[in-house]
Amino acid sequence: DAKTTQPPSMDCAEGRAANLPCNHSTISGNEYVYWYRQIHSQGPQYIIHGLKNNETNEMASLIITEDRKSSTLILPHATLRDTAVYYCIVRVHGNTPLVFGKGTRLSVIA
Amino acid sequence: NAGVTQTPKFQVLKTGQSMTLQCAQDMNHEYMSWYRQDPGMGLRLIHYSVGAGITDQGEVPNGYNVSRSTTEDFPLRLLSAAPSQTSVYFCASRGSSGESSYNEQFFGPGTRLTVL
Repeated sequence: DAKTTQPPSMDCAEGRAANLPCNHSTISGNEYVYWYRQIHSQGPQYIIHGLKNNETNEMASLIITEDRKSSTLILPHATLRDTAVYYCIVRVHGNTPLVFGKGTRLSVIA
Repeated sequence: NAGVTQTPKFQVLKTGQSMTLQCAQDMNHEYMSWYRQDPGMGLRLIHYSVGAGITDQGEVPNGYNVSRSTTEDFPLRLLSAAPSQTSVYFCASRGSSGESSYNEQFFGPGTRLTVL
């Protein structure tokens, strides 16, 4: 069973912030939230991950609610090249596999 | 580094044929895995390995075999191909706990397989 719930699709205007939500209401205390994206038919690409604090890197920001039941991935200035399927995944650290759901298809529109 | 490489890029098989999809990584990663992605779907885990000599089943292991004799290579074998195995196959690797690559899983470019 999927551990995360994401909207199937979203649109975003080029240059605006893209906010992608993810619900993980059954997350355990030792599970991290990971985000990957898949552009067209390429292999998925790691974006960011976090446990309970907000995280930021050169690609995106990750905001995790205080109760950790949901999170939001923020692309601050979306470009056409950010059009992709975005996957939110929860995973325990260790030799555990990454299990993908259906993700959100983000379309950035000029 | 070449990263994760997969061969072949494209393959057409007839039902009942066997073949091996090759995957190699040059990052000395202990963890490797295989996924399949059907059209319009997310990735599904087939098999994974936490190190040489150790493999385990994922979500959809039936019809596939794997082995891990070296750290670098993780081949996926289709013993008797079926049309239901038509898919894009992705191989991935990541480092062990404590390594900088632990949190980031690197994916290969994929092998597009059609079974007639």
